Amino acid sequence: AQSVSQHNHHVILSEAASLELGCNYSYGGTVNLFWYVQYPGQHLQLLLKYFSGDPLVKGIKGFEAEFIKSKFSFNLRKPSVQWSDTAEYFCAVNSLIKAAGNKLTFGGGTRVLVKP
Amino acid sequence: NAGVTQTPKFRVLKTGQSMTLLCAQDMNHEYMYWYRQDPGMGLRLIHYSVGEGTTAKGEVPDGYNVSRLKKQNFLLGLESAAPSQTSVYFCASSSSPYNEQFFGPGTRLTVL
Repeated sequence: AQSVSQHNHHVILSEAASLELGCNYSYGGTVNLFWYVQYPGQHLQLLLKYFSGDPLVKGIKGFEAEFIKSKFSFNLRKPSVQWSDTAEYFCAVNSLIKAAGNKLTFGGGTRVLVKP
Repeated sequence: NAGVTQTPKFRVLKTGQSMTLLCAQDMNHEYMYWYRQDPGMGLRLIHYSVGEGTTAKGEVPDGYNVSRLKKQNFLLGLESAAPSQTSVYFCASSSSPYNEQFFGPGTRLTVL
């Protein structure tokens, strides 16, 4: 069965620090990759997505992610965080192999707290 | 354009009671999903629908039923609520199974 792992459950950092959140998945086939963000008390919103092409993807609010196929990874980065980036971040993977059910699988999430 | 809406926002049930959560989307999406969110476990798929009149089981379907009588609505039912069903429930929709999903605001359910 497909699985998505986010290695850090909680991250605490200060404003202006750099952020990197790890995401690894277990598929061998072609995948679509997503990062969603959930701000406190809000619903999930799409940060960025990778379908094909340039493996370095830029999203909203200064976030970017790099797809490394050989490492089955899709890590999220932001060079300088702000207090408003305090949120929970979810990596999600969708296999394009029909036998896998075409369903989105989420990682367990990483709670990020940015101290002012 | 409201996107995806969910009712109710909060609910407290006693063990054994039943309830229905309503999800509505105005984006004309074929695909709709119900997830539950529990701490440290991300979102887990309960049931999903690939079009009006069709439903299918997800990762954690036990104790839940769904119906998709109209394209824009996807209902999640709990026939006999249990404390293990205390969770936050999110509905989502998408235009295809490979594209991004759009999420509703969630329903926080507590079963006592």
